Amino acid sequence: DAGVIQSPRHEVTEMGQEVTLRCKPISGHDYLFWYRQTMMRGLELLIYFNNNVPIDDSGMPEDRFSAKMPNASFSTLKIQPSEPRDSAVYFCASTLKGVGNQPQHFGDGTRLSIL
Amino acid sequence: GEDVEQSLFLSVREGDSSVINCTYTDSSSTYLYWYKQEPGAGLQLLTYIFSNMDMKQDQRLTVLLNKKDKHLSLRIADTQTGDSAIYFCAENNFNKFYFGSGTKLNVKP
Repeated sequence: DAGVIQSPRHEVTEMGQEVTLRCKPISGHDYLFWYRQTMMRGLELLIYFNNNVPIDDSGMPEDRFSAKMPNASFSTLKIQPSEPRDSAVYFCASTLKGVGNQPQHFGDGTRLSIL
Repeated sequence: GEDVEQSLFLSVREGDSSVINCTYTDSSSTYLYWYKQEPGAGLQLLTYIFSNMDMKQDQRLTVLLNKKDKHLSLRIADTQTGDSAIYFCAENNFNKFYFGSGTKLNVKP
């Protein structure tokens, strides 16, 4: 079975440019999460969706960040304009709805470097 | 929000047992998880424990849960160099996951 697929794996761009990260969750999963990982702050939850609807975006650092989920099989995280402090590894994860031992399944991440 | 804490580093010799500790604050969490992250990869679920259990064993892995002290531990028996990675504990509260900062395990040959 295909896992969570993220693209690109690596992105290097100059500050001020728009960056779009993409995620395809596992088919049938109802929840999708975007995380950011840095050495200083560890793993931070940015936003999560349930059935394509944003539920909690309190972790989104500022208005430069936006996320969408136009359908059940695709989500984007956009940074515009990008800044050097946005450099991090961004992970997407998905999970099944409901009680029970439903762990999160992570993609391999996008390593973002803003110069 | 919920606070999950772990020590940052652990170094052991190959063949020894490793014990990684975690404390959490939300007593209503139903499941607690251990994830492993290898360099350049995402987090991979290792094991989990339901909050009404004290212990769970899965091959070389043993998870101990002390609900009273809100303390979770992961024991890896006969640690191998391939176990070198960052280990995260996480709690699940209403589909929102809270992760610790991760413990970097270094296994020396």
